[in-house]
Amino acid sequence: DIQMTQSPSTLSASVGDSVIITCRASQSISSWLAWYQQKPGKAPKLLIYRASSLESGVPSRFSASGSGTEFTLTISSLQPDDFATYYCQQYNSYWMYSFGQGTKVEIK
Amino acid sequence: EVQLVESGGGLVQPGGSLRLSCSASGFTFSSYWMTWVRQAPGKGLEWVANIKQNGREKYYVDSVKGRFTISRDNAKNSLYLQINSLRVEDTAVYYCARDSGSTSMDRWGQGTLVTVSS
Repeated sequence: DIQMTQSPSTLSASVGDSVIITCRASQSISSWLAWYQQKPGKAPKLLIYRASSLESGVPSRFSASGSGTEFTLTISSLQPDDFATYYCQQYNSYWMYSFGQGTKVEIK
Repeated sequence: EVQLVESGGGLVQPGGSLRLSCSASGFTFSSYWMTWVRQAPGKGLEWVANIKQNGREKYYVDSVKGRFTISRDNAKNSLYLQINSLRVEDTAVYYCARDSGSTSMDRWGQGTLVTVSS
C-alpha cells in the first residue's frame, strides 16, 4: 500500500497570505498526484493533476510541484473562498488509490 | 454539462445491505473509468473501488473486499455499488467520481449518505 502523509493537518492564515501544504508518499509515485479542495457539505473539487497541472477554471494563485515522493501545493494570496480542506491523492496504479489525511486551512 | 447523481443511501442495520447508484450524464460514460470514494463523518476521503470502462477490471480497498461489489451498465449510463454485511464503520457519505486516468477524478457527484446503526 502507498501511504500519503500531509502536513500540516491544520493551517491558520489570513487573507492575502501565501501558504504551502506538503504531501509525502511512502514510495515513488512519479507525478501521479492530484490535489482536491473540499468545503463543508460539498464534494471534493479537483485543483491539480499530474502533480503540477492546473485543472481548467482553477485560479492561477494555486500552483503545485514535486515528483517521486515529495509534493507541495502553494496558494499565493489567500482569498476568502480558499478556506477549506485540501487533500492530496496518489493514482500511481488503478488498483490502489489513496488520499492524504487532509489539511484544513482556517482563518487566523 | 457533466452530472453525476448518487442515490440509494439510507439507514441500515449492521449486517444489512444496500445498493448505491450513480447516474451519469453530459459525457460518454463508457469511455471512462469510474470510482467510488467515501467519507466518514468528520473524517477524510477514502478510495473504495473503481471499475474499468468495459467493467472487466475492478479494484477495491482491502477493508471492503468480499463485501462490496462495483458494477456498471454502460447502456444506462449508470454506476453501482452493492454493499453487503454492513458495519458501523461503513457509515459515510459515498461519492461517485469520473476517473479520467491522467487527471484522476475530475468530476464528482454530490454524495449519498449511508448510516449503519441498530
